[in-house]
Amino acid sequence: EGQLLESGGALVQPGGSLRLSCAASGFTSGNEAMSWVRQPPGKGLEWVSRISGSGYSTDYADAVKGRFTSSRDKSKNTLFLQMNSLRVEDTAVYYCAKHSGSYYYFEYWGQGTLVTVSS
Amino acid sequence: EIVMTQSPATLSVSPGERVTLSCRASQSVGSNLAWYQQKPGQSPGLLIYGASTRATGIPARFSGSGSGTEFTLIISSLQSEDFADYYCQQYNNWPLAFGGGTKVEIK
Repeated sequence: EGQLLESGGALVQPGGSLRLSCAASGFTSGNEAMSWVRQPPGKGLEWVSRISGSGYSTDYADAVKGRFTSSRDKSKNTLFLQMNSLRVEDTAVYYCAKHSGSYYYFEYWGQGTLVTVSS
Repeated sequence: EIVMTQSPATLSVSPGERVTLSCRASQSVGSNLAWYQQKPGQSPGLLIYGASTRATGIPARFSGSGSGTEFTLIISSLQSEDFADYYCQQYNNWPLAFGGGTKVEIK
């Protein structure tokens, strides 16, 4: 069965940058679209960004547009989220999640990595 | 942008009871609706997709129904392992959107 493993979460000051990684393993195909979803402490889920299977197409939530960038290295089965100009309100557990073929529900989730933005 | 609204926010239930969770979309999402379960300290897990199709390994006591703007998740007889947070998500339009969640707690 497939597995997603996030890393890179840390404590960072407002205005700082951070790069999250998500390593995928055990999937028969590496061509499905993937997303980042975040969850502030004690709150609900919020979709952040999507990247296509090829890596050439991306979408972003308005709250992060212009500050976050998704990319993927298909040779390493790894997804990245570059986060710049971080704000206190970006504090959350960040999950990477795999979509199912051309349907954009989340079939598999990673265990999450915590990003804390605080001075 | 589609807004998803779940009700109630919290549900206090005894084991063995039947549970009904609601999810409403601000505009039609067809059948492009999924449900997730999240237990404390864990990542979410897929329960239902296509409004009514159970994901692999999900017990038959979980059932989903609805289309358009009104959706329901039913747990026919609540087990101890079902106490958790439940989220609906529409995937008919961008941006993808989740409901605010329903917490099912022990009465």
